[in-house]
This record gives sequence, C-alpha cells and structure tokens, in this order.
Amino acid sequence: AQSVTQLGSHVSVSEGALVLLRCNYSSSVPPYLFWYVQYPNQGLQLLLKYTSAATLVKGINGFEAEFKKSETSFHLTKPSAHMRDAAEYFCAVSDRGYSTLTFGKGTMLLVSP
Amino acid sequence: NAGVTQTPKFQVLKTGQSMTLQCAQDMNHEYMSWYRQDPGMGLRLIHYSVGAGITDQGEVPNGYNVSRSTTEDFPLRLLSAAPSQTSVYFCASISDRDTEAFFGQGTRLTVV
Repeated sequence: AQSVTQLGSHVSVSEGALVLLRCNYSSSVPPYLFWYVQYPNQGLQLLLKYTSAATLVKGINGFEAEFKKSETSFHLTKPSAHMRDAAEYFCAVSDRGYSTLTFGKGTMLLVSP
Repeated sequence: NAGVTQTPKFQVLKTGQSMTLQCAQDMNHEYMSWYRQDPGMGLRLIHYSVGAGITDQGEVPNGYNVSRSTTEDFPLRLLSAAPSQTSVYFCASISDRDTEAFFGQGTRLTVV
C-alpha cells in the first residue's frame, strides 16, 4: 500500500500571508495525487489533482500544488490566505490499482486576522 | 445527477446493535469504498470494491461487512456495534477513467 505524510497537524498563518501545507508520499507506481479540503461538519471537497500531466496543478480558491518526483512531494500553496481558508486539508494518493485513496492525517489551517 | 448519496446522516446506536449504512452512486463508477474519519487519524479505508460481486478488506475492516450486488449500491454493515466504532463514515466512488473520487456527505455514528 502507498502512504502519505503531512508535516504539521496544525499550521497557523495571518490573513494575507503565504500558505504552505506539506505532503510527501510513497508510491510503487506512478502516483495520482489529490488535495481535499474539509470545512467544519462538512464533507470532503476536491481542491486539485495531479494525474501525470503538468507538474504544477492549479485548483479552486487560488490554491496550487507542485508535483516533485525527486522529492516525492506534493505541497499545497496559496499566495495570500483568507479567513475563509480556515479548514482541515488532506493530501491523498491513489492506491490499490487506483481503486482507492490513501490519506494523510490532515493539517488544520488556522488563519488569524 | 445526485453523485454519491449516503444515508443516514446521523445515527446513535447502543453497544451490540447492528445497522447498515447505505451508499448509492449514479455515475456508473466501478470502484467504491468506505472510510472512517477519526480526529488526528485522517481517513482510513474499511472495505472497497472494484466491481459488482467483488469486495476486499482495507486497513481497518474488523467489525464491518460489505457486499456489492449492483454497480450502484455499496452498503456497509456493522455487525455488533462497539464504542470504538464511533466515527464519521464516508462512502466514495471513483471513476476508473480519471481516478477522481466523489464522496458522500458522511454519516456521523455514535455508539453508546
């Protein structure tokens, strides 16, 4: 099975500051990688996905992520944080012949005024 | 197009009771799976299916059963509920064409 490591269970930023959420993966096959966001008491929303096309992937709400094979990383960034970005973020990798996802443990993003 | 529909949204069970969480998708996806979400643990795979009649265990299968008699439906059965099964459960379906996962809205289960 594949694995995902998200560094930092909580990340705090000020409104307007750069957001950087880290994700490293291990995969024995070419990976498909995903970032999901979960707002309080809600389901999972796809932010963006990497499926072997461009290594820099743009998603919704101004987020983007860069696939770096040499570093086995897929870090999520946003140039300027908004209060509405406060949520939990999950990195995931396709697994079991691309039929399931393996998730990291999540990073809670806290945004202060 | 409803996507993935999970029912119920909330449930309280007593220890030892059984119940079935329902999951249905209308996108004709071959792959379906169940996850549980616990604080600090992310989402962990319980069971999954790669097509009608085919199921397999995931990371945390104990205490749960599944079946897949049709492409659309993938119910999760709790055989004898335990407090350790208190969690939020998500059903997902995945397209075998582009591997994007679609999730239901979740079921918040409390076992007392």
